[in-house]
Amino acid sequence: QVQLQESGPGLVKPSETLSLTCAVSGHSISSGYCWGWVRQPPGKGLEWIASLYPGGNTYYNPSLKSRVTISVDTSRNELSLKLTSVTAADTAVYYCARHWRITSPFDYWGQGALVTVSS
Amino acid sequence: QSALTQPPSASGSPGQSVTISCTGTSSDVGVYNYVSWYQQHPGKAPKLMIYEVTKRPSGVPDRFSASKSGNTASLTVSGLQAEDEADYYCSSYAGNNNVIFGGGTKLTVL
Repeated sequence: QVQLQESGPGLVKPSETLSLTCAVSGHSISSGYCWGWVRQPPGKGLEWIASLYPGGNTYYNPSLKSRVTISVDTSRNELSLKLTSVTAADTAVYYCARHWRITSPFDYWGQGALVTVSS
Repeated sequence: QSALTQPPSASGSPGQSVTISCTGTSSDVGVYNYVSWYQQHPGKAPKLMIYEVTKRPSGVPDRFSASKSGNTASLTVSGLQAEDEADYYCSSYAGNNNVIFGGGTKLTVL
């Protein structure tokens, strides 16, 4: 059974960098699937942030591309997200999720991590 | 790329059917058969209900069905049950390695 667990600071100051990690268990992160991040501001809808194939391509939401870096640590079986120059608009629950390829839906999701941007 | 358009709310009585629409453009929903639907209960992660316009993952009841016509996709929930009350989101591949979601529809079972 694939399990994903997000972790990271719950509070980030404006203009700083948001960093999150997603630990994957029950499945090798380098075994041919695509892994991504989706966020959801409180009371609002879902927004895809970025995805990657380990050892391959990375894909970014055009509206966030200049501030986002997605990466993977295959030795730790972990996915990471960095979002720079954050503002209050970046306050959201951040989910990591798995999909087969960039055109595929997300079939496994983490429970989500709330990140609040505030001074 | 703009978000897909969904009605903010929908409702139906137990046993009834309800349909939720998801309107995109000829650059996303209209051209790709990569439309998905997710169910999200409060405080929980989204759950995949439909993929590739009409396909149901294993374990999803056949009360959930979906279709697409032109730039609009639709999710139908038949035989409404109390546990179907949730938020529903559509999603589509939008070309150029981009993925977009709808704004979500809150389904209330009366």
